Amino acid sequence: DTGVSQDPRHKITKRGQNVTFRCDPISEHNRLYWYRQTLGQGPEFLTYFQNEAQLEKSRLLSDRFSAERPKGSFSTLEIQRTEQGDSAMYLCASSFDYGTVSGNTIYFGEGSWLTVV
Amino acid sequence: DAKTTQPNSMESNEEEPVHLPCNHSTISGTDYIHWYRQLPSQGPEYVIHGLTSNVNNRMASLAIAEDRKSSTLILHRATLRDAAVYYCIRDGSGAGSYQLTFGKGTKLSVIP
Repeated sequence: DTGVSQDPRHKITKRGQNVTFRCDPISEHNRLYWYRQTLGQGPEFLTYFQNEAQLEKSRLLSDRFSAERPKGSFSTLEIQRTEQGDSAMYLCASSFDYGTVSGNTIYFGEGSWLTVV
Repeated sequence: DAKTTQPNSMESNEEEPVHLPCNHSTISGTDYIHWYRQLPSQGPEYVIHGLTSNVNNRMASLAIAEDRKSSTLILHRATLRDAAVYYCIRDGSGAGSYQLTFGKGTKLSVIP
């Protein structure tokens, strides 16, 4: 399977604990994105990497959230001191910059479900 | 304003064509129009995208109005597997913005 891979798929944690999600993008995709989705809503953009550089961050990404992509391949999203409002599906996506103006098609993973109790 | 407007829900009979509308009246000249769909408990799946001309692929067709203020996703023969939430999105990557703004989409129900 050469799609976007996310781990873990499901995580239940107690309020106040830290959690980390990992994303492995499609091979050779230089762009990587994190989105968050709550029930009944569309995905909301959190942040975007071009290679290892974090180029865009949503104001939804509070100080408790940090994302990294240290070698320009896989990425991690860490949530510190989780709150019940953090319960959501965290989606990772990737795309490739073809260097031409042709639209930016992104490919999503299956998501990581977080439940904070 | 990166918003698009879609009906909350639509129904279709199986094996009939489906036309899913989307309004994007404030779209800029460099914004692509993308469609994604999302099945329950899965991540969104790319369907099709276009800029000005109508587009076809194995999944669907995209008809873009001449003034680009609206577009229609066409599923030629709806199947039960097409039941999903369909999102119409403006892609601002042509202007250097890589965040896609999703609305609530259109929930398509397919009746056997």
